[in-house]
Amino acid sequence: DTGVSQDPRHKITKRGQNVTFRCDPISEHNRLYWYRQTLGQGPEFLTYFQNEAQLEKSRLLSDRFSAERPKGSFSTLEIQRTEQGDSAMYLCASSRTVNTEAFFGQGTRLTVV
Amino acid sequence: QKEVEQNSGPLSVPEGAIASLNCTYSDRVSQSFFWYRQYSGKSPELIMSIYSNGDKEDGRFTAQLNKASQYVSLLIRDSQPSDSATYLCAVRADRGSTLGRLYFGRGTQLTVWP
Repeated sequence: DTGVSQDPRHKITKRGQNVTFRCDPISEHNRLYWYRQTLGQGPEFLTYFQNEAQLEKSRLLSDRFSAERPKGSFSTLEIQRTEQGDSAMYLCASSRTVNTEAFFGQGTRLTVV
Repeated sequence: QKEVEQNSGPLSVPEGAIASLNCTYSDRVSQSFFWYRQYSGKSPELIMSIYSNGDKEDGRFTAQLNKASQYVSLLIRDSQPSDSATYLCAVRADRGSTLGRLYFGRGTQLTVWP
């Protein structure tokens, strides 16, 4: 039984570069969530999917951010033209349904220099 | 905007003591509540969920929920140094356009000293 898997675990990028993160949810989990967490704060919601449909995007998700879940399995989160303020831990979580518990992956720590 | 408030701490207790972590929330219709443990530099790990008023026990952990007071707490009995972590309270939106979304508090940092 594998948990939620995220790749890469760490990413250092120069300001202005594009980055893409991948999340593989627990098998048969229909719901997939992306959160962002900065030091000393709780996770903040970015977006979520029900199967391949993106249901909601937070106001935090500027037009530089895009997320996909093309076949209802893995998901990608892309950040274009990265800024120093994008430095954070990006967390992916999945749940079997809307009413069940959500489990997090290991996270991707992004540092923009 | 749904608010989840936690005392950020730090909370420091001796080994073997009871650690008490508290959380209040603003959305009166919320029905689902969770406690996640997060070690430094790691991702949140689900340790307790509670949906009904009263107490729910799991090993050394007890979650308490009082919906009338919009209050949820986590008690850790016989605290161990390995319990030292940040504990995140989360409330799930159970209706409306944000259905399923988790709202987190800032977390309470717990230190258990030997």
